[in-house]
Amino acid sequence: DAGITQSPRHKVTETGTPVTLRCHQTENHRYMYWYRQDPGHGLRLIHYSYGVKDTDKGEVSDGYSVSRSKTEDFLLTLESATSSQTSVYFCAISIAFTDTQYFGPGTRLTVL
Amino acid sequence: GNSVTQMEGPVTLSEEAFLTINCTYTATGYPSLFWYVQYPGEGLQLLLKATKADDKGSNKGFEATYRKETTSFHLEKGSVQVSDSAVYFCALSGPLSGNTPLVFGKGTRLSVIA
Repeated sequence: DAGITQSPRHKVTETGTPVTLRCHQTENHRYMYWYRQDPGHGLRLIHYSYGVKDTDKGEVSDGYSVSRSKTEDFLLTLESATSSQTSVYFCAISIAFTDTQYFGPGTRLTVL
Repeated sequence: GNSVTQMEGPVTLSEEAFLTINCTYTATGYPSLFWYVQYPGEGLQLLLKATKADDKGSNKGFEATYRKETTSFHLEKGSVQVSDSAVYFCALSGPLSGNTPLVFGKGTRLSVIA
């Protein structure tokens, strides 16, 4: 299994609070991704990174920001969480942009 | 743009039955095709992949053949087990993908009963 961890694994928070999810990899892959998974929508890309300090938006980026200060860490921040951001969040990594992606175990976030 | 359509579930089979999950795609150029599997409470795991036409990906008794003429990548297994119960996602990646390097189908839930 690819060395990808996510923290926390579960979080319950209240509307309006900031939340940061962390993805950590030990594979030294260049690309890292954040997805959300919701019933009826499958997986949707939020943001991705193609190197340290290099990030770009995916298809559902509104309300989310990301940062990557080290190759191994990719942070996803919800500046002011809303109930519509209740979801399961997955991090993924890959060597190249259209190469095989390997997924972390996920973080279940509930916004009350 | 690129897209993937897979059969809707849920699919319920008895143990040792034959499994087919259909997947068709729309893409420009020559994409790579993937099947991922998600067991309850876990992340997605790569099950198999194929990178060019007529390639057959296989793993754990599952197979899928990249058919460019029918733009399909159907997943098959000859004899399913209870432990195969999971959600299966077909996906593609390729040139001209824009900001979406991996496009997923919506997933097919498989339940295998003893």
